[in-house]
Amino acid sequence: AQSVTQLGSHVSVSEGALVLLRCNYSSSVPPYLFWYVQYPNQGLQLLLKYTTGATLVKGINGFEAEFKKSETSFHLTKPSAHMSDAAEYFCAVSAYSWGKLQFGAGTQVVVTP
Amino acid sequence: IAGITQAPTSQILAAGRRMTLRCTQDMRHNAMYWYRQDLGLGLRLIHYSNTAGTTGKGEVPDGYSVSRANTDDFPLTLASAVPSQTSVYFCASSDTGDNSPLHFGNGTRLTVT
Repeated sequence: AQSVTQLGSHVSVSEGALVLLRCNYSSSVPPYLFWYVQYPNQGLQLLLKYTTGATLVKGINGFEAEFKKSETSFHLTKPSAHMSDAAEYFCAVSAYSWGKLQFGAGTQVVVTP
Repeated sequence: IAGITQAPTSQILAAGRRMTLRCTQDMRHNAMYWYRQDLGLGLRLIHYSNTAGTTGKGEVPDGYSVSRANTDDFPLTLASAVPSQTSVYFCASSDTGDNSPLHFGNGTRLTVT
């Protein structure tokens, strides 16, 4: 069984500041980990994923995440926030590299000028 | 443009009525999924299908049914709607190979009164 906890349902960042979204997971098998982004009135889009190999994963729009097995974490970061980063972000875990995902509750990101 | 089409975009439905949410994909993906999105709960898997002719139950299947007669279509039926089924419903698809992300439709916003 898998589960995901996202710390903080809302995050407010200033334009140009670091974006840090926290995600912790539990999994009975080596996990596959994902971050998705949802813009208003749209479906989710894949930002990045970790399956195997390098633990630092780079995604689209300047985001990256690091898989830390010892901390059971997969935090998402972006060095400099842009107004277009305002969206809801979901962390997800799976026992497969595709398919049935267990999603976190989501973190709404607000970017202020 | 390739992707997933969901219909209707939104619907208000009286309790006790039957409703089918439509989902069609043109990417020839083997796997398809239905999720519901509720505030504070993230996305929860309702039903899935790994290939045409097969379906499976997700985390919250009660009150819903699905069919997969062909590769492209994956309708979700509420046999007798209840207010707790008020939600935003997302259909998704994926290939079943490695490095295959979920592709989401834009959702159906359903209100059961």
